Amino acid sequence: DTGVSQNPRHKITKRGQNVTFRCDPISEHNRLYWYRQTLGQGPEFLTYFQNEAQLEKSRLLSDRFSAERPKGSFSTLEIQRTEQGDSAMYLCASSFGQGSNEKLFFGSGTQLSVL
Amino acid sequence: ELKVEQNPLFLSMQEGKNYTIYCNYSTTSDRLYWYRQDPGKSLESLFVLLSNGAVKQEGRLMASLDTKARLSTLHITAAVHDLSATYFCAVEAGGTYKYIFGTGTRLKVLA
Repeated sequence: DTGVSQNPRHKITKRGQNVTFRCDPISEHNRLYWYRQTLGQGPEFLTYFQNEAQLEKSRLLSDRFSAERPKGSFSTLEIQRTEQGDSAMYLCASSFGQGSNEKLFFGSGTQLSVL
Repeated sequence: ELKVEQNPLFLSMQEGKNYTIYCNYSTTSDRLYWYRQDPGKSLESLFVLLSNGAVKQEGRLMASLDTKARLSTLHITAAVHDLSATYFCAVEAGGTYKYIFGTGTRLKVLA
């Protein structure tokens, strides 16, 4: 168990550029989540997958955001035409099981700065 | 739509004192989590509460859940400096496996 891995750790980009982040969940975890966190706030739900199926996407998320999880393994989150308001920590989490066995394991996050 | 509120948002307390953090949520849920986040770090799971009346304890922290009142508490006993962190509750939105986080309580324990 190597934990949830996110790459890159930091990303600086210019407004209008596209960026892509990668998340490798704990192996055999069937659910994968993306959250966004800004300074002093709680994590904000973006989307989640069960295996390769994207089950829900936040209504707050604009069409510039897209996520994929091909083959139910790693996931990517792409932001097109970045804006300064997209600057945040993007957290990935994975989980498996039900009941008391089910809890979210978080990665270290990708810190995005849009200049 | 599920909303999760915590209070207080900030808490400064002396070592050795007791205090309680509250987490209220707006719609029915049977699953609630507490997480800890240190500055610049990711979130660490503390407790999973699955049913009405559930109580979990580890060290100086004890969490409880009242699903009828839609309220969870995180009680800190005889605080020590190492407990300084931000604490979040997260509530599952009605059987969906989607988790909504509270605003967080930033705790600072003063020596």
